[in-house]
Formats: sequence, C-alpha cells, structure tokens
Amino acid sequence: EAGVAQSPRYKIIEKRQSVAFWCNPISGHATLYWYQQILGQGPKLLIQFQNNGVVDDSQLPKDRFSAERLKGVDSTLKIQPAKLEDSAVYLCASSLGRGTGVSETQYFGPGTRLLVL
Amino acid sequence: GNSVTQMEGPVTLSEEAFLTINCTYTATGYPSLFWYVQYPGEGLQLLLKATKADDKGSNKGFEATYRKETTSFHLEKGSVQVSDSAVYFCALRGDTGRRALTFGSGTRLQVQP
Repeated sequence: EAGVAQSPRYKIIEKRQSVAFWCNPISGHATLYWYQQILGQGPKLLIQFQNNGVVDDSQLPKDRFSAERLKGVDSTLKIQPAKLEDSAVYLCASSLGRGTGVSETQYFGPGTRLLVL
Repeated sequence: GNSVTQMEGPVTLSEEAFLTINCTYTATGYPSLFWYVQYPGEGLQLLLKATKADDKGSNKGFEATYRKETTSFHLEKGSVQVSDSAVYFCALRGDTGRRALTFGSGTRLQVQP
C-alpha cells in the first residue's frame, strides 16, 4: 500500500514570495491533515479536511495561508506572502476518517522542508 | 485545551541500557494516547498507541501504559539499540471534537555503542 506522498521535499524561497505544497493521501482515506513542525517543536495542526470539506482551520493563519482539497483526494497548501517565521517542515497526514473512533491512526508523509530567507 | 508535556532531551544512553521517556497530558474526557517516532531524515511513524485507561501499547520492544490517575503515558524499553536513535513524540487525540493530534515537543534519544 502506497503511503502519503508529498512534494516538493525541500523548498527555499525569499520572504514575501509565495509557495505551494502538494499532498496525496493514502487511497481511500477521507480525512486529511496539514501540520506545521517548527524546528525543535512538535507538529501543530494547521487544517483538517473531511473529504473536501474543512473540519478545523482554527489555527491556520488565514491572512497568508490557504488550503484546498478539491474532489476530496489530494490537497494543496499555499503560503502567500511567506515570512521568515514560516520556515518549518510541513507535514501531511491522512486517516480513514470513518465513524468516530478515537483510536484512528494517522499516517504521515515525509514532509516538505521550507526555508524562508 | 489539550496539551502534552514531554521530558526534554537529548537523552543519551549506552547500548543495552534501560530507557524511560516521560509524558504527561492534560485533556478532558478519555483521549487516546500515542507515541510517534521520527528517525533521521524520515517522516513520523506510529510506534504504539493506547485507547483507554490501563491499556498497554507495545511495539518493537517499546511499551507504554495509559495511566489515567496520573495522566501519564511514559515510554519504556528494556534494552536500547543504536538503531533506536531518533526523536520520540508523545501525542493525544481527544474523544470529542477535533480528531487532530496534539503533540509534545519531542525527545531526542541518542544511543551510543
């Protein structure tokens, strides 16, 4: 079974530029998450999708970050314009998303490492 | 809100030593608890989980017991190997509302031969 795919793996941009990250979840997984992991910290949720609808975007800086999951499969996270503090690893995860089982396992992709100069 | 507190690293051990990484949490209700591991250059992998009080999760020689009375989920291994060197994250998922994970800050383990 293929895992969660993300691209690119690395990206270097200058501040005020824009950048986009792509994620393809495990086939059949209804729930998709984007996390931000700043160096030395644990991942923090940015946005959660259930199929193509947003479940939770309360921690997404909406003035500069946007995300979409058209057709309920793959997803794109965009930053425009980027700031220095956006330097982090952006992780995508997916889970089956059926029912309300609290033990549902999230599978993570390898992440995209962003450096903003 | 939910939160997870882990012991700070790095933790440096010799091969075959006993490992404990402390994790405590704050949450309402009955969360599920997880340990994830991040090997150098790789993504997060689920190591083990426990879904209710007194459950013991185990995998690859690692164990953790869900202790509701002390709100803890400490990770243990009887004999570590060099290949266990990684960053370990404790996480919880609440039983209501958001299904996203709340992570601790991670503990780096370095095992020396």
